[in-house]
Amino acid sequence: GAGVSQSPRYKVAKRGQDVALRCDPISGHVSLFWYQQALGQGPEFLTYFQNEAQLDKSGLPSDRFFAERPEGSVSTLKIQRTQQEDSAVYLCASSLYGGNQPQHFGDGTRLSIL
Amino acid sequence: DAKTTQPPSMDCAEGRAANLPCNHSTISGNEYVYWYRQIHSQGPQYIIHGLKNNETNEMASLIITEDRKSSTLILPHATLRDTAVYYCIVKGSGGSNYKLTFGKGTLLTVNP
Repeated sequence: GAGVSQSPRYKVAKRGQDVALRCDPISGHVSLFWYQQALGQGPEFLTYFQNEAQLDKSGLPSDRFFAERPEGSVSTLKIQRTQQEDSAVYLCASSLYGGNQPQHFGDGTRLSIL
Repeated sequence: DAKTTQPPSMDCAEGRAANLPCNHSTISGNEYVYWYRQIHSQGPQYIIHGLKNNETNEMASLIITEDRKSSTLILPHATLRDTAVYYCIVKGSGGSNYKLTFGKGTLLTVNP
């Protein structure tokens, strides 16, 4: 189906390496969100895009985290100089627009930092 | 956004209705109630949402009390594939109300 697609599904990196996580939202969806989910916890908001504009990045844990959506469709979450505490599942969601439209999630990227 | 309270776990027999409660006593007038579920190793799946009227779709029914302080998600005929963590989330619809705030949810186990 034409759901939210995330790649890779699994990523293992050594501490200090940079990683890039990709999200392909549902076609035509204006809003895009990134969430982080630690083991045994619910997802936590990281950042929000409306088209190519990043309207909220208040949830990004540090300045090592950077997200972009240059053409208003595909988005990339980049983590520089990874630390062990960055290990988590990173979820992407999209919605048609804001308001009360439901967000639809991908299956996430499980990031493990060794 | 208003906080929600859900039981940490529930069990249900296969084929029976699963009724998952949620308390949201501090909900405000423009806030919607959303339900998502998360099956192991998958992303959260949207189920249903409502403001004050009861809602039904192909997955479930949402019953919201008249005072809007609580709601119940009903899966009419639970199957083993409905085993998941179910999240009740309250979210406004305007302006800056775009982020979903997940709690710990209810782990529903459907038993054969």
